[in-house]
Amino acid sequence: EAGVAQSPRYKIIEKRQSVAFWCNPISGHATLYWYQQILGQGPKLLIQFQNNGVVDDSQLPKDRFSAERLKGVDSTLKIQPAKLEDSAVYLCASSRGTGPNTEAFFGQGTRLTVV
Amino acid sequence: ILNVEQSPQSLHVQEGDSTNFTCSFPSSNFYALHWYRWETAKSPEALFVMTLNGDEKKKGRISATLNTKEGYSYLYIKGSQPEDSATYLCASSSAGNMLTFGGGTRLMVKP
Repeated sequence: EAGVAQSPRYKIIEKRQSVAFWCNPISGHATLYWYQQILGQGPKLLIQFQNNGVVDDSQLPKDRFSAERLKGVDSTLKIQPAKLEDSAVYLCASSRGTGPNTEAFFGQGTRLTVV
Repeated sequence: ILNVEQSPQSLHVQEGDSTNFTCSFPSSNFYALHWYRWETAKSPEALFVMTLNGDEKKKGRISATLNTKEGYSYLYIKGSQPEDSATYLCASSSAGNMLTFGGGTRLMVKP
């Protein structure tokens, strides 16, 4: 089966610019996650969707970050305006359900550099 | 928010050496513990999901154990190979499968 697809793979922008990332989860996976991985740290959950509804966005900096999952399939994550500290790898993941022992499948990530 | 810690942060071993890493997590409100391997320029790949105290899982030369009462898990690699070089991440999951990751252990295996 096809894996989680993310684009772009790399992005370099100047601070205060806007950027958007796209994710296509594995077919049939109702749950979609966005994680932020800053160099030297583990991935941190930004937002979790169940179909097209938000389950948890408590760690999403809502003043500059937004995410949507229209039609419960693809998702986009936007940063506007970007700050230097947003430089990170943004990982998208999907899973069939939300049980704690459900395996989450990850994409290759988008590496964002803000200069 | 759960606090998951991993040690060591990095590890250099020679090909053929066996090695192990530690993941510690809060033992209260425990649901499941996940191990992932993340090779450079690839997607994080799930290795194990463990839920029960005393669980032991094995995949080839890699195995893991779980102690939920004291809040730790060990990952073992027997006879390390250069292709084992990667960052190994553990994560504790909430009831809703939101993963809280540790900082990872970066393993480098020298031929």
